Amino acid sequence: KAGVTQTPRYLIKTRGQQVTLSCSPISGHRSVSWYQQTPGQGLQFLFEYFSETQRNKGNFPGRFSGRQFSNSRSEMNVSTLELGDSALYLCASSFWDRQETQYFGPGTRLLVL
Amino acid sequence: AQSVSQHNHHVILSEAASLELGCNYSYGGTVNLFWYVQYPGQHLQLLLKYFSGDPLVKGIKGFEAEFIKSKFSFNLRKPSVQWSDTAEYFCAVNYNQGGKLIFGQGTELSVKP
Repeated sequence: KAGVTQTPRYLIKTRGQQVTLSCSPISGHRSVSWYQQTPGQGLQFLFEYFSETQRNKGNFPGRFSGRQFSNSRSEMNVSTLELGDSALYLCASSFWDRQETQYFGPGTRLLVL
Repeated sequence: AQSVSQHNHHVILSEAASLELGCNYSYGGTVNLFWYVQYPGQHLQLLLKYFSGDPLVKGIKGFEAEFIKSKFSFNLRKPSVQWSDTAEYFCAVNYNQGGKLIFGQGTELSVKP
């Protein structure tokens, strides 16, 4: 079974631009969660989507948004990029419940210049 | 506030030494507990998890963890580490919130051959 895939793997943007990252979950998984990983803050939860609805949200500004499609694929968007948005963005998928293991993708490394 | 604390940022051991990594979480009722590992250049992957039942859980590659409810702890152990265990280890907690994991800051383990 194919794992979680994320595209693109690397991205360089400049301040003020916007970016869209994509995540394809494991087949059959309906929950997709997004995390930001930085050396200073570690792994922080951004949001979770389940059945095309945002089920949980972390403490990030409104510049960070996401959506999920009917095939469970998910995208996250960051508008008006800031230098501090440089990070590894990880996507994880699971079947549907909190007791399910989350399987992580390789991440998208975003560099904001 | 929901939080997870890992006691050590960087641990250096020689091969065959025993390992114990500490993890404490803030009280939040029923929780699910996880340890993930991130080998250099690889995805986050699950080592082991605790949902209920026997508080001593065994995971992959000889790792085990003990849930001590009274201490809000979920410490990771391995009797004899190998050079290939060099990686970053993350403790994570789900506070009964769908697909939202709260991660500790991570512990970098370096094993000297």
